[in-house]
Amino acid sequence: DAMVIQNPRYQVTQFGKPVTLSCSQTLNHNVMYWYQQKSSQAPKLLFHYYDKDFNNEADTPDNFQSRRPNTSFCFLDIRSPGLGDAAMYLCATSTHMETEQYFGPGTRLTVT
Amino acid sequence: GNSVTQMEGPVTLSEEAFLTINCTYTATGYPSLFWYVQYPGEGLQLLLKATKADDKGSNKGFEATYRKETTSFHLEKGSVQVSDSAVYFCASQRGKAAGNKLTFGGGTRVLVKP
Repeated sequence: DAMVIQNPRYQVTQFGKPVTLSCSQTLNHNVMYWYQQKSSQAPKLLFHYYDKDFNNEADTPDNFQSRRPNTSFCFLDIRSPGLGDAAMYLCATSTHMETEQYFGPGTRLTVT
Repeated sequence: GNSVTQMEGPVTLSEEAFLTINCTYTATGYPSLFWYVQYPGEGLQLLLKATKADDKGSNKGFEATYRKETTSFHLEKGSVQVSDSAVYFCASQRGKAAGNKLTFGGGTRVLVKP
């Protein structure tokens, strides 16, 4: 089945230690998104890639970066995680910006 | 601006009860509307959608109708099961001029008891 895959499902990192979260898709979608979801809240869009074009949300901290080396993979890098960055990180894809988004299962990040 | 408001939870129901989760949106034009469901510890799954006024989205016994006159997209299910316990998010998506971004409501937690 075509799908959105996120690895790992659970990630523990130390305060200030860089961490990378991974997302891959077999849907061949053009757009890949990263969302941050804190407990009991709606997902918050961090950035997205349309093909190779990167689009950052205005309020996304500089601590968050992303890479998309090819159509299938997209990475979220947190350069110096703080305790406030503990959250579920969701990857989503869509064929185009105006079509529905398909979400992966998420990576729950814990910062110790 | 673009916003989505949905009823706060938690909503606690008995099995086979009728479920309604209210959702209203504010947006210029005609956004696409979605309901996503999030089971414990999981990502969001698209439950249903509607792209124009009077469209009815349906899936797994859930239904929602795009009501332009009341700017609403209420989610309903006639007979819930324990397995429907989850958080439900209403979302709208405006067109290209608005960046095609999804705007989520705050989520409604539903707990179905046997």
